[in-house]
Amino acid sequence: QKEVEQNSGPLSVPEGAIASLNCTYSDRVSQSFFWYRQYSGKSPELIMSIYSNGDKEDGRFTAQLNKASQYVSLLIRDSQPSDSATYLCAVSRYGNNRLAFGKGNQVVVIP
Amino acid sequence: DAGVIQSPRHEVTEMGQEVTLRCKLISGHNSLFWYRQTMMRGLELLIYFNNNVPIDDSGMPEDRFSAKMPNASFSTLKIQPSEPRDSAVYFCASSLSAGARPGELFFGEGSRLTVL
Repeated sequence: QKEVEQNSGPLSVPEGAIASLNCTYSDRVSQSFFWYRQYSGKSPELIMSIYSNGDKEDGRFTAQLNKASQYVSLLIRDSQPSDSATYLCAVSRYGNNRLAFGKGNQVVVIP
Repeated sequence: DAGVIQSPRHEVTEMGQEVTLRCKLISGHNSLFWYRQTMMRGLELLIYFNNNVPIDDSGMPEDRFSAKMPNASFSTLKIQPSEPRDSAVYFCASSLSAGARPGELFFGEGSRLTVL
């Protein structure tokens, strides 16, 4: 079992809609959880971090964490064409900066 | 401030040749990560240094791969001999081990390696 799994295929959403991405992780002792965005041909950049159960909102982005079920999700509200990218879920076991990444989910926002 | 700088941006080589990828960290950062990204396997951690010391090299595929950090601001990843299955984008990332935003890695633009 991979450390971090993102199994959904490419997600197409109309402009203005909500995009929902999910991620599961295998190690119960994982402490810190992150979402990175990667535009095509570019490098990943951090957009959200979450450390405790519940929701965390930052602008149009909301991260949700459920440690009992070992999943993390990302909601993008009012999706814009500029949100078209691959979103990578990342997990840190020890609360340090050693991150394990999922394979990513591609999001395409259709104008 | 300059970001993480990687070179070369693109490398095409033949099987069996030695490849050296270079990375310059952001000034003041003390953690360095080498990742490899492919469509099949995603972004995989190869090795992680903290304060110039290798902390975790469990992701290094085999003895053909080696990484060094000769000083606090510079690192190299060497593949010798290279094989077609090494073709990937290699990212270097740096961070502060105790920064204001834990988990924030600053990635370079990547080195795209093609081994024929």
